[in-house]
Amino acid sequence: DADVTQTPRNRITKTGKRIMLECSQTKGHDRMYWYRQDPGLGLRLIYYSFDVKDINKGEISDGYSVSRQAQAKFSLSLESAIPNQTALYFCATTGWDTGELFFGEGSRLTVL
Amino acid sequence: RKEVEQDPGPFNVPEGATVAFNCTYSNSASQSFFWYRQDCRKEPKLLMSVYSSGNEDGRFTAQLNRASQYISLLIRDSKLSDSATYLCVVNMEAAGNKLTFGGGTRVLVKP
Repeated sequence: DADVTQTPRNRITKTGKRIMLECSQTKGHDRMYWYRQDPGLGLRLIYYSFDVKDINKGEISDGYSVSRQAQAKFSLSLESAIPNQTALYFCATTGWDTGELFFGEGSRLTVL
Repeated sequence: RKEVEQDPGPFNVPEGATVAFNCTYSNSASQSFFWYRQDCRKEPKLLMSVYSSGNEDGRFTAQLNRASQYISLLIRDSKLSDSATYLCVVNMEAAGNKLTFGGGTRVLVKP
């Protein structure tokens, strides 16, 4: 089984709908991140959390919210999806002992 | 100016050749650096960390030039399997370990 699991892997939705992307990890790490990737723009940080009680905005948090339900779970919500939120979303975790980020396989979201 | 910049490529490389490319960063307070590899439609995976004056891992060599604020990745004896996008990641520990990704450099190794 993967260390970081994202669901759903693919989702097509309509403008205005509420969408939740879920992420769970079995690495036992405290730090979790949500990124989005658009062609040519690399990965941009949406939100990050260093423990269950710690939530921080990244560089592109507008239009998104997150919930850290437990050390192992970090979900991303789009309250009212819009077409420019069409992207590939990655969840990641790190314990920072090696500086290595472990990514989920990604969730491809299309907003029509 | 973007905090972390990379030439998007693609770098078309004959199999067996050497290819090198850079990543520039704008914040001189950046403290640690990484190269990640991303295959098409897959998640990024750590290729190597770049510490102090750089390091080598098999056919891959990473260098850090703090004075000019860039890191580089060199791939020797390129294999077809080296075709991927290489992402530069810069960490600012003073900013709470904020990790910033470059846009990636695409490498295509051809027979």
